[in-house]
Amino acid sequence: GQQLNQSPQSMFIQEGEDVSMNCTSSSIFNTWLWYKQDPGEGPVLLIALYKAGELTSNGRLTAQFGITRKDSFLNISASIPSDVGIYFCAGNGLAAGNKLTFGGGTRVLVKP
Amino acid sequence: GAGVSQSPSNKVTEKGKDVELRCDPISGHTALYWYRQSLGQGLEFLIYFQGNSAPDKSGLPSDRFSAERTGGSVSTLTIQRTQQEDSAVYLCASSLAANSNQPQHFGDGTRLSIL
Repeated sequence: GQQLNQSPQSMFIQEGEDVSMNCTSSSIFNTWLWYKQDPGEGPVLLIALYKAGELTSNGRLTAQFGITRKDSFLNISASIPSDVGIYFCAGNGLAAGNKLTFGGGTRVLVKP
Repeated sequence: GAGVSQSPSNKVTEKGKDVELRCDPISGHTALYWYRQSLGQGLEFLIYFQGNSAPDKSGLPSDRFSAERTGGSVSTLTIQRTQQEDSAVYLCASSLAANSNQPQHFGDGTRLSIL
C-alpha cells in the first residue's frame, strides 16, 4: 500500500528558531494535509494543500505541495514553546478513495 | 456540537469482552472516518462512511471489527472478543463530503486498553 516517509522523527527547537519537516511518498497524492497533535487530543488541521506547487501559509506556518506530487514540507518560523507537539503529514492518493495515509510523525521538543 | 465528539474518552476492558465506541460528527458533515493510532505511531485508516453507506472497509483488521452509521450522523465502532493487540487510540473524523478537497476534522479519540 501507499506509504509516507516523514522526517525527521524528532527535533529539538529553541525559541525563535525556524524549523522544517517533510514527507515523501512513493506514489502521487491528490491532497497533502498537515496536522498537529497534542497529548491526549486528536490531530488538529494546520494546513491543507490541493494543487501541485501550491504554497500556503497559516500564521507562522508555511507548507508546500511538491511539484512531483510526491512530497510536501512544513516550515515553522520563529518557533515558540507552544509549537511543541507531534506533527503529522497526511495525503490522499489517486486510488485511495477518501482515506488518508499518515506519516509517522515528527515530535517537536524544546531544547533543554 | 462544534466539533467531533467521541465517547467514552477512555475504556479499559478485559480480553475477550466486546466494546462499542461512539462518534458524533460535526453537524452537517456527511462523511465520517475511523482511524486507529497505536502508541507513538501515525494513524491507520479503518473505514469510512458516506451517509450511512461504507464504501471502503479495507482497513478493518479482522472480522471482529465492525462499524455502522445510522441517520447519517452518529457512528459506532464495535470490537468483538477484544485482544490485547486491539489496545490503541481510536480516532473519528468527519468532513463535509467524501471528497479529497474536503479536509477531515478529528475528535479527541477513545483510548482503549485491553487487559
